[in-house]
Amino acid sequence: EADIYQTPRYLVIGTGKKITLECSQTMGHDKMYWYQQDPGMELHLIHYSYGVNSTEKGDLSSESTVSRIRTEHFPLTLESARPSHTSQYLCASRLAGGTEAFFGQGTRLTVV
Amino acid sequence: ELKVEQNPLFLSMQEGKNYTIYCNYSTTSDRLYWYRQDPGKSLESLFVLLSNGAVKQEGRLMASLDTKARLSTLHITAAVHDLSATYFCAGTSNAGGTSYGKLTFGQGTILTVHP
Repeated sequence: EADIYQTPRYLVIGTGKKITLECSQTMGHDKMYWYQQDPGMELHLIHYSYGVNSTEKGDLSSESTVSRIRTEHFPLTLESARPSHTSQYLCASRLAGGTEAFFGQGTRLTVV
Repeated sequence: ELKVEQNPLFLSMQEGKNYTIYCNYSTTSDRLYWYRQDPGKSLESLFVLLSNGAVKQEGRLMASLDTKARLSTLHITAAVHDLSATYFCAGTSNAGGTSYGKLTFGQGTILTVHP
């Protein structure tokens, strides 16, 4: 079983608030990813990191930012949440050279 | 840029029947993945296909990969209600450089199995 954790699982927050979605893995994986998934839709990559102090934007433009100060931790921050940010956010990790990506349980964000 | 397309997008099956979900991709993909997602849940890895001709089976599901045709299939044998879920295929591409293992997903196939 994969050891990758996301908190919170569910979040309802007002417009304009700053939020941070947490993602941690205990597998020592150097590659980590954030995907965004609207209900009933496919997943889109919004951020990825291939190691400490490396972050890159993904294929889908996002107003969120990420940081990677420690190998095991890859938080995602929205400085000012808007209703258009309502979505599910899934974190994943992979070992360099590994074949499989492991997904966290996801955070379902609703901005009202 | 890798594009991944699945069909059908919606599949309603009777229990006991067989069916196939198709996954076409646009450029060379290092690997092809199949995931299952239950409503409101995260993704569960089903199969990772690494090379042309690869075939993997787990229970009533069998996945195959044809890299020349840029096609992967997920075959369901004698469907049961518990297989109802959304199934995604995804690929990684290192065209133009290192992919860093970034996944490009298909649209997903919503499978409903009826008694």
